[in-house]
Order: sequence, then C-alpha cells, then structure tokens
Amino acid sequence: QSALTQPASMSGSPGQSITISCTGSSSDIGSYSLVSWYQQHPGKAPKLIIYEVTERPSGISNRFFGSKSGIWASLTISGLQAEDEADYYCCSYAGSSTYVFGSGTKVTVL
Amino acid sequence: EVQLVESGGTLVKPGRSLRLSCTASGFSFGDYAMTWFRQPPGKGLEWVGFMRSRGYGGTTEYAASVKGRFVISRDDSKNIAYLQMKNLKTEDTATYYCAGGYCSGGSCYSGRLNWFDPWGQGTLVTVSS
Repeated sequence: QSALTQPASMSGSPGQSITISCTGSSSDIGSYSLVSWYQQHPGKAPKLIIYEVTERPSGISNRFFGSKSGIWASLTISGLQAEDEADYYCCSYAGSSTYVFGSGTKVTVL
Repeated sequence: EVQLVESGGTLVKPGRSLRLSCTASGFSFGDYAMTWFRQPPGKGLEWVGFMRSRGYGGTTEYAASVKGRFVISRDDSKNIAYLQMKNLKTEDTATYYCAGGYCSGGSCYSGRLNWFDPWGQGTLVTVSS
C-alpha cells in the first residue's frame, strides 16, 4: 500500500488561504468517500479536523474545508492564523479494511 | 472528559516482545473500533490495525507490515485496548497512538471506519540493541 502523496510543505501569510492536495489512486481516494484529515502540532497527538471528505467535527473551525475529485482530495484552510501552523495528514480507506495516510504537509504561517 | 492514555512504551531489543495499553475514559469505549497507529521519529503516520467492537464481532485487521507479529485485543470491562508486539524490529521504532474508530451499521462489519477520534497522546517504542 503506497502512501498518499502530499506536498512536503506549504506556507501563507495570516489571512490568506492555502489548499493542501492529497493524491491517491483508484484503490483508495478514487473508490471511497472515507477521506479524513488530521492536524498535528509538534509533540502532540493528531487531531481530526475533517471526516467523510467534507464533514467537520463539532468544535472545528469552518475555516477548514475538505473536498474530493477523482483520486484527489484537498484541504483548504482559509483566513490562515498562527495557530494553524502544524503538520496535516490526509487518510483514506483503501479497501479490505485497510487505511493509508498521506506523507504529511508542514504548514508554515509567515 | 474524553481521554485515551497509552502506556508501555520503552526501549527494547530486536526480536523481543512488548505490550502497549490504551486506557479510555469519557466515551462509550465498547462502541468503537479501537485502532492503533504509529509514527517513526520525524516521519508520517502509519495505520497499524484495529479491532472491531464486540457488537460487530470483535475481529481484527492489520497492516501488511505488522501482520503476524502484532495482535490487538481489548477488555471492554476495563476500557482498555492492547497492542501486543512480538519479534520487534528496528523499523518498528515509533510513537504508537491509539484512537477510537467510528463506524455505523453495516460499514462496521466491512471495516469501513468513518473517522478516528479521539486519540491518545502516544507512547514511544524504541527498538535497538
């Protein structure tokens, strides 16, 4: 099972928007709407921020928006804030009760 | 307060065994598929495996990289999930996280978990001679 592909790093100024891509295949993202996104601050546990492609858990800011098209999923963070500086991972169901993560994207707020 | 606390991580020699624990509180532990992940130092997350809730058979699924060496179990009476690791290799060095995997209805049988939340803070396992 190959990891999903994410850009290693992205950056933006406060108030800007950035979109993190997550490229999979027809065996994972392309076949299932079970894509989730996790935010991880240094030394901390991952935190669920998007599930089922577009859904936000209670308490997660509506500045986070998820989408999917074909084998690509994306996470858009609008109105970038200092607290958004973290690593972001996409995750997809990959069939046969298995899961695959993206390689991770380090977001820097300039 | 919803909480998962992992324990048991330590330095262990290659070929040895180790059991990690994940103690839950503040949510319906028995309703979740308890899932383990790992993250090697400075690297990304990897799904390790999960155990379905007893209501959906309590069966387990594993990543190819650990199948045959790792076993997940649970004690719903104590709200604890376990990860038994044997024949450890240096490449198993990582912080291990447990999380609750949510599913509903038939998707639970098929292993399609909607999301992983909550997560524990992780426990570090170092495999080195």
